[in-house]
Amino acid sequence: EAGVTQSPRYAVLQEGQAVSFWCDPISGHDTLYWYQQPRDQGPQLLVYFRDEAVIDNSQLPSDRFSAVRPKGTNSTLKIQSAKQGDTATYLCASSFSGASQNTLYFGAGTRLSVL
Amino acid sequence: GDSVTQTEGLVTLTKGLPVMLNCTYQTTYSPFLFWYVQHLNEAPKLLLKSSTDNKRTEHQGFYATLHKSSSSFHLQKSSVQLSDSALYFCALRPGTGGYKVVFGSGTRLLVSP
Repeated sequence: EAGVTQSPRYAVLQEGQAVSFWCDPISGHDTLYWYQQPRDQGPQLLVYFRDEAVIDNSQLPSDRFSAVRPKGTNSTLKIQSAKQGDTATYLCASSFSGASQNTLYFGAGTRLSVL
Repeated sequence: GDSVTQTEGLVTLTKGLPVMLNCTYQTTYSPFLFWYVQHLNEAPKLLLKSSTDNKRTEHQGFYATLHKSSSSFHLQKSSVQLSDSALYFCALRPGTGGYKVVFGSGTRLLVSP
């Protein structure tokens, strides 16, 4: 079974540039999460979807960040105008809501550096 | 709101010694608790999970018991190995019917020879 796939693996930007991250979850997983993980810190939830619907985006900086999952499968997270404080690893995770306890399966992440 | 607290940022131990990593949580709902492990430059992977009060759960030599009375889910191992060096995260899914998962700040475990 294929795992969660993320691309790109690395991105280096100047402040003010835009970037998009792409995530392909495990087949059959209806729930998809985007987390921001600063270096040596815990993952911080940005947004999560059930199928194509946004369930919680309360921690997503809506002025610069956006996330979509139009067909309930792949998802894209976009930063419109990056800031140095956005430097972090962006993790995508998926799960199946019908499974007990809802284990998250993570992708390898995209490591973003904003100069 | 729902939250997870991990009090140790860094734990350093010699191989063969026991370890306990602390995790406490806050939620008003019936919780699901998880421990994830993240090795260097890898994705976090599930280590343990539980939603049953006072029942020990074990995997790969690690074990933890959910105690709802003290809101704790500490991770333990009786004898650490060099390969256990990693970042360990405690995570909470409040049993609200939603699927939000909140992570603690993590504890880095360094095991020396």
